[in-house]
Amino acid sequence: SQQGEEDPQALSIQEGENATMNCSYKTSINNLQWYRQNSGRGLVHLILIRSNEREKHSGRLRVTLDTSKKSSSLLITASRAADTASYFCATDARPRSGYSTLTFGKGTMLLVSP
Amino acid sequence: NAGVTQTPKFQVLKTGQSMTLQCAQDMNHEYMSWYRQDPGMGLRLIHYSVGAGITDQGEVPNGYNVSRSTTEDFPLRLLSAAPSQTSVYFCASSQQGAGANVLTFGAGSRLTVL
Repeated sequence: SQQGEEDPQALSIQEGENATMNCSYKTSINNLQWYRQNSGRGLVHLILIRSNEREKHSGRLRVTLDTSKKSSSLLITASRAADTASYFCATDARPRSGYSTLTFGKGTMLLVSP
Repeated sequence: NAGVTQTPKFQVLKTGQSMTLQCAQDMNHEYMSWYRQDPGMGLRLIHYSVGAGITDQGEVPNGYNVSRSTTEDFPLRLLSAAPSQTSVYFCASSQQGAGANVLTFGAGSRLTVL
């Protein structure tokens, strides 16, 4: 079953606008990550936020984490056409073996128009 | 530095045929995993390995076998392909350092089962 669920499923904005995507999850996590997938390509890691962190920045990316609400948001500021991609949140789960595995959500498709 | 290499990129099988999807990484990563990506379903974990000789099941392991004889390679075997296994398959690896599992993905293998 999916651990993370992104919202919205699709988002269409103009260049220069900000894009916000949300992720909700069900169980306790060690960390939450965001990945980007360009059409027909593999996923690329963007940013990681640990369970004891509330906010993190990387360039034009800002991630927040609210463990009490079991939710995270990814903000992309001043969007560019090159930001057009699908964005996935992934949560760190520890099954019976004790090793870390990542569980991905269904993703948000972002379209940035020139 | 090639990263994670998957072969083949595309494959068409008939129901009941067997095949192996190859995955190799040159980053000396301990952790390797296979995901499948289906429309509207996001990525789902099939199998993973935390080192040579150690494998474990993910969320959707049925119909797939894996082995890990070397650190570099983690092949995924379909013993008797079914149309439900039509999907895009991604191999990913990580070092699992500092308690975080940050994945590096391959470019994907698109499999169609007729």
